[in-house]
Amino acid sequence: GDSVTQMEGPVTLSEEAFLTINCTYTATGYPSLFWYVQYPGEGLQLLLKATKADDKGSNKGFEATYRKETTSFHLEKGSVQVSDSAVYFCALRRAAGNKLTFGGGTRVLVKP
Amino acid sequence: GAGVSQSPSNKVTEKGKDVELRCDPISGHTALYWYRQSLGQGLEFLIYFQGNSAPDKSGLPSDRFSAERTGGSVSTLTIQRTQQEDSAVYLCASSLWSLRQPETQYFGPGTRLLVL
Repeated sequence: GDSVTQMEGPVTLSEEAFLTINCTYTATGYPSLFWYVQYPGEGLQLLLKATKADDKGSNKGFEATYRKETTSFHLEKGSVQVSDSAVYFCALRRAAGNKLTFGGGTRVLVKP
Repeated sequence: GAGVSQSPSNKVTEKGKDVELRCDPISGHTALYWYRQSLGQGLEFLIYFQGNSAPDKSGLPSDRFSAERTGGSVSTLTIQRTQQEDSAVYLCASSLWSLRQPETQYFGPGTRLLVL
């Protein structure tokens, strides 16, 4: 079945550091890929998405590129802020299906 | 506009009791999803409704779990004879529906269920 694997946290960084969260997936066909973020005390929010190979999703300084050859969708941000402290979830949705399959989540803590 | 709302925000119940969790989707969204977020299992899909089609119940963990969606809008997730392993945050999401592309799912704040 479908699965998403992402690096375990917590990831602790200093402000203005570079952030990478690795995400790889297993799925048949050509799924759409997503990053969701959950800020403390808040619900899940879509951060960015990509629907086909080589697409780059971007939002709020975060980027992720859909790599079909490596089945990956790594999340990056060049300079993190304290306000980026949250749990980040990688997810996929198969073209023919509708449910999201999530990775385990990665907690990121940015210190001033 | 209003987002997805869920009630109650927190629910504490005793083992063996039934609970009902409510979800109000974004107006105009025909697709509605329930997920569960627990420490041991992460985020799991439970059930999906789209318009008048038969729901996709493939994620329901046991027959103690059921859900309905009345009038194509509000949905209720019911857990009968609750067990301690049912303790989790239950998330509802809604989206538009398109044959051509997967529409973004918008999540509610969740209901935190604790079974004592």
